[in-house]
Amino acid sequence: NAGVTQTPKFRVLKTGQSMTLLCAQDMNHEYMYWYRQDPGMGLRLIHYSVGEGTTAKGEVPDGYNVSRLKKQNFLLGLESAAPSQTSVYFCASSPPGARGYTFGSGTRLTVV
Amino acid sequence: AQSVTQPDIHITVSEGASLELRCNYSYGATPYLFWYVQSPGQGLQLLLKYFSGDTLVQGIKGFEAEFKRSQSSFNLRKPSVHWSDAAEYFCAVGAQGGFQKLVFGTGTRLLVSP
Repeated sequence: NAGVTQTPKFRVLKTGQSMTLLCAQDMNHEYMYWYRQDPGMGLRLIHYSVGEGTTAKGEVPDGYNVSRLKKQNFLLGLESAAPSQTSVYFCASSPPGARGYTFGSGTRLTVV
Repeated sequence: AQSVTQPDIHITVSEGASLELRCNYSYGATPYLFWYVQSPGQGLQLLLKYFSGDTLVQGIKGFEAEFKRSQSSFNLRKPSVHWSDAAEYFCAVGAQGGFQKLVFGTGTRLLVSP
């Protein structure tokens, strides 16, 4: 089925470890996004991309880096994980216009 | 900058009763507005959207929403709730134009009682 695929689905990290979350979409969407979801805070935008090779900071970018080397992939990196980065991370993609986002199923990350 | 307020953190509705979830937005021009639903452990699914035209929009699963510019609101409604509607609902606002950087509300959790 067409859509947005996130890997891994679950991960536990120790403080200071690094990891990369992968997002892949097969809908040829131009735009891609990384959000984090925390209780009582809704979804907050971390980084986004308006096309291959371009990225931009969102609302809460500190501690994260991203890359979009291929149109279909958007990677989110944590260089040195902190407990404050314990969250559920969602990737989304969208085409131009008012069509809304297609979301992945999320990655639940715990940093201990 | 745009913002969204969902004033109700939790709502409990009896099965078969009607539902209205509130959403107020702040934006300087006519926005794009969306409602998403999230079932436990799942991603967000688009219920409906408004960007122009008729202010009453129909969505999936029997939901509808009405855009009221004078009240800066986009409330979600359903005439008869089913137990399977229990989930978290998010309202989102975006600027008009090709690129959509959505701002989400904090969500309303819907509980359905028998």
